[in-house]
Amino acid sequence: TVVTQEPSLTVSPGGTVTLTCASSAGTVTSDYNPSWFQQKPGQPPKSLIYYTTNRHSWTPARFSGSLLGGKGALTLSGAQPEDEAEYYCLLHYSGPWVFGGGTKLTVL
Amino acid sequence: EVQLVESGGDLVQPGGSLRLSCAASGFTFSNFWMTWVRQAPGKGLEWLVNIKTDGTVTYYVDSVRGRFAISRDNAKNSVYLHMSSLRVEDTAVYYCMANLDYWGQGTLVTVSS
Repeated sequence: TVVTQEPSLTVSPGGTVTLTCASSAGTVTSDYNPSWFQQKPGQPPKSLIYYTTNRHSWTPARFSGSLLGGKGALTLSGAQPEDEAEYYCLLHYSGPWVFGGGTKLTVL
Repeated sequence: EVQLVESGGDLVQPGGSLRLSCAASGFTFSNFWMTWVRQAPGKGLEWLVNIKTDGTVTYYVDSVRGRFAISRDNAKNSVYLHMSSLRVEDTAVYYCMANLDYWGQGTLVTVSS
């Protein structure tokens, strides 16, 4: 099973961007529990969104999770320079989980 | 304060073995599924294995099944990854993760002759 993300995206400061997470197994539903993680260079990953739409207490409100067009989606509304990072989605396949390849987000 | 501290990473020869540890504090460890994730140099994240709260259920990715084994000791708030038959391609930073919430800083495993 392969989980596919956009390799790279660019967003302007203050702009909105949506990252997606597709499964080779077909439509991503809430049953796949899509989760999202942010990783900055030299740092461990940080959890942002779990079970499709749930933010952690530390997740800024400008990040939101959803299902969009058969994929998991992470939307960033009002991008900040500090949001420049690699973003990974994670899907659950009835046992093992699988990460996507990551999206490098540039805020420029 | 929540903390996950991995240890045990080292330089090991191909075919060798290693045990990684992850010590947890600041949350009720026994209520959390624990997962090991790795990241090869310059690459993305790879989910490896997880273990249920009471240790009765585990899931492995195919690439490590039969070579790696996860275990936990809730009395010690720790989870372990026993790695054997190590290969050059197992070289990575290994992270532990609690549920989908908390991450450790990682420990580096280098497999090389």
